[in-house]
Amino acid sequence: QKEVEQNSGPLSVPEGAIASLNCTYSDRGSQSFFWYRQYSGKSPELIMFIYSNGDKEDGRFTAQLNKASQYVSLLIRDSQPSDSATYLCAVSNAGKSTFGDGTTLTVKP
Amino acid sequence: DGGITQSPKYLFRKEGQNVTLSCEQNLNHDAMYWYRQDPGQGLRLIYYSQIVNDFQKGDIAEGYSVSREKKESFPLTVTSAQKNPTAFYLCASSIDPGTSGPQETQYFGPGTRLLVL
Repeated sequence: QKEVEQNSGPLSVPEGAIASLNCTYSDRGSQSFFWYRQYSGKSPELIMFIYSNGDKEDGRFTAQLNKASQYVSLLIRDSQPSDSATYLCAVSNAGKSTFGDGTTLTVKP
Repeated sequence: DGGITQSPKYLFRKEGQNVTLSCEQNLNHDAMYWYRQDPGQGLRLIYYSQIVNDFQKGDIAEGYSVSREKKESFPLTVTSAQKNPTAFYLCASSIDPGTSGPQETQYFGPGTRLLVL
């Protein structure tokens, strides 16, 4: 079992729809959780971080964390073609981050 | 401009050769990291350093070596012992790895693609 697992893709949604990306982790000591976006051939860039149970909203993005269930998710509302990318979930414990394999999202116009 | 630079953008290695990838940051971050990314996969940690003159092995350190003589620099050497080095190598840094929260956010350089001749 991988330490960080993301829902298998690719995920395809129409423009304007909600995209839902999921991530589960095995290390109960994990304290910080991150979502990065990676365009093809480019390096990852931070979308959201969350470290308290509940929801955190930033514009069209909402991160949800449930430490009891060891689950973190990212919702993208009003999806745009520019959101088409691979989304990486990262889980951190004492400064060491473990990344999932990513979910590739395609938003179709 | 503050940021992380990596060079070269592309690197070709001959069999039996050691090659060194450069990573420099002017963000005054304490921690630096090296990751390897293979096609269709996530990032795998090679080495990380939380302070100058100290570094730890990550999950796939075999065949790689690093040094951290300056806060700003964290070069990675791919040795001849690494039999399958073709990959996208990413360097990252973070402000303070010891405190949970936004300080653990990692900022990435543009990456180096290593190809074997």
